[in-house]
Amino acid sequence: EAGVTQSPTHLIKTRGQQATLRCSPISGHTSVYWYQQALGLGLQFLLWYDEGEERNRGNFPPRFSGRQFPNYSSELNVNALELEDSALYLCASSAGQEIDTQYFGPGTRLTVL
Amino acid sequence: AQSVTQLGSHVSVSEGALVLLRCNYSSSVPPYLFWYVQYPNQGLQLLLKYTSAATLVKGINGFEAEFKKSETSFHLTKPSAHMSDAAEYFCAVSDPGTGRRALTFGSGTRLQVQP
Repeated sequence: EAGVTQSPTHLIKTRGQQATLRCSPISGHTSVYWYQQALGLGLQFLLWYDEGEERNRGNFPPRFSGRQFPNYSSELNVNALELEDSALYLCASSAGQEIDTQYFGPGTRLTVL
Repeated sequence: AQSVTQLGSHVSVSEGALVLLRCNYSSSVPPYLFWYVQYPNQGLQLLLKYTSAATLVKGINGFEAEFKKSETSFHLTKPSAHMSDAAEYFCAVSDPGTGRRALTFGSGTRLQVQP
């Protein structure tokens, strides 16, 4: 069974640009989560999508947004990039009887210059 | 709100020695607790989880953890360290009582295994 996949692996942008990160959950998983792992700040919850709807978001500004598609894949968009947005962005998914157990992808490393 | 504290940002053990990584949690309701491992330049891999069943939880790669409500702890142990265990370990709490399924992570413990 394929795990959570994320693309791209690396992304380099300049300040002020927009970044789009993509995530495909494990087959059959309907919930997708996004986390930011920034140096010195640890792992922080960003967003949770379930059945196409945003269910919860962490303490991040509105320029962090996303969506979930009918096939349950998800996009994370970061607008007006700032230097401090440089981080590893991790996607996770969960479903069914293990709804509270999240399985993570390999992450997208975003570098903002 | 829930929180997790991992004591010791770095732990060094000899190969074959006991591994003990400490995690204390704070939660207003009985929590679900998780340990994840992260190898360099990779995502997080689930080691084990506690979801209110048996208090002693066995995970992958010989790791186990014991939920102790009286001590609000969920320490991770492995009887004999292997070189391949060198990685960063994260304890996390999920509080289903409030409906949130977001994970709150500890700051992580980097495990070094000396030959």
